[in-house]
Amino acid sequence: DQQVKQNSPSLSVQEGRISILNCDYTNSMFDYFLWYKKYPAEGPTFLISISSIKDKNEDGRFTVFLNKSAKHLSLHIVPSQPGDSAVYFCAASEMGNTPLVFGKGTRLSVIA
Amino acid sequence: GAVVSQHPSRVICKSGTSVKIECRSLDFQATTMFWYRQFPKKSLMLMATSNEGSKATYEQGVEKDKFLINHASLTLSTLTVTSAHPEDSSFYICSASMSQGPYGYTFGSGTRLTVV
Repeated sequence: DQQVKQNSPSLSVQEGRISILNCDYTNSMFDYFLWYKKYPAEGPTFLISISSIKDKNEDGRFTVFLNKSAKHLSLHIVPSQPGDSAVYFCAASEMGNTPLVFGKGTRLSVIA
Repeated sequence: GAVVSQHPSRVICKSGTSVKIECRSLDFQATTMFWYRQFPKKSLMLMATSNEGSKATYEQGVEKDKFLINHASLTLSTLTVTSAHPEDSSFYICSASMSQGPYGYTFGSGTRLTVV
């Protein structure tokens, strides 16, 4: 049973436009959510996180929105740049030193 | 920021041999380290949770005797793939944790294991 779901395996966006990556989760115990960017043959790189007490967190071009009632979060990238092309993983954890549970990832392609 | 060093980045080994992968936290003490495996076109799957000074906790379906994890110090955890088979070929990634927070989870750069 997948606790973190990224239903779109891929997304193509034009440079300068907004990229919206979605993530759904089923475990109501999750209280911390993170987005990672990953290039092939490299470890994930932390992008942005949000705790369950917030519904929005912004860092530069990246904004994460959390809708707890819908168990849904999204990552907005605006404006999108070609260098943003990578696989984006949504991850979640419960309180405490618990391992992250990852979605399957969404491959973002930003077209110049 | 917190840095996790993982070595080797790539390794090719023959079937039946063992391979050791190291994960080091360079500038912080990691009481807990996690080992993940990434299958092609799939998510990062947690293999085991490694706590310093105690036995690792393995996820269901992960063979303890095949994937030996040692966390002998607060800065080093190792994953040894024993009697490797071609199906063990994969990308293995470690993660070290200080505490929850934006930088609570730091990932190594991963190890691409190819068993021939």
